[in-house]
Amino acid sequence: AQSVTQPDIHITVSEGASLELRCNYSYGATPYLFWYVQSPGQGLQLLLKYFSGDTLVQGIKGFEAEFKRSQSSFNLRKPSVHWSDAAEYFCAVGAPTGNTPLVFGKGTRLSVIA
Amino acid sequence: DTAVSQTPKYLVTQMGNDKSIKCEQNLGHDTMYWYKQDSKKFLKIMFSYNNKELIINETVPNRFSPKSPDKAHLNLHINSLELGDSAVYFCASSQAREGNIQYFGAGTRLSVL
Repeated sequence: AQSVTQPDIHITVSEGASLELRCNYSYGATPYLFWYVQSPGQGLQLLLKYFSGDTLVQGIKGFEAEFKRSQSSFNLRKPSVHWSDAAEYFCAVGAPTGNTPLVFGKGTRLSVIA
Repeated sequence: DTAVSQTPKYLVTQMGNDKSIKCEQNLGHDTMYWYKQDSKKFLKIMFSYNNKELIINETVPNRFSPKSPDKAHLNLHINSLELGDSAVYFCASSQAREGNIQYFGAGTRLSVL
């Protein structure tokens, strides 16, 4: 069965510091991988996605993620965090075969301090 | 123009009532979904429709009845609301040729008192 693990429930970083949010997945083949962000009271916004090819993918708002097949990981990174990045971050996997629901991790809440 | 819109944004109601949530997408997508986000922020699929046909029903109680009048709309009707139904419900849509990228509505926060 597909599953996604985000080991960190809550992370606090200082503004300007670097960030890495961890994501591990379980899937029978190479899945489609996604990171979404949810700001308080808002819906989910796609940050970036990995389908195939270059394992380092760039997204919006200065985020990037690296797919590592050997570790079944898809960690999200940002070199310098801004206060507006405080939000809930979700990693998700989906089947590459078409329109199927995503399986989400339980999310990591990011707090940013001055 | 909002791509995936849900109404209402907030819904407060008493136990035992029946309520509906509406969802519309203007992206021309073939597939629409309902997800439930619980109090711990965990997102779980409830239903999936493709071209108005039910594809996935993730063992949701039959008090929940989705309806898709056309492929741009997917509504969710809930009968006999229970305290445990309190959650945020998200509608989403996707298109296979876009690699299953799902676009989410802003959510409907349902509070059952």
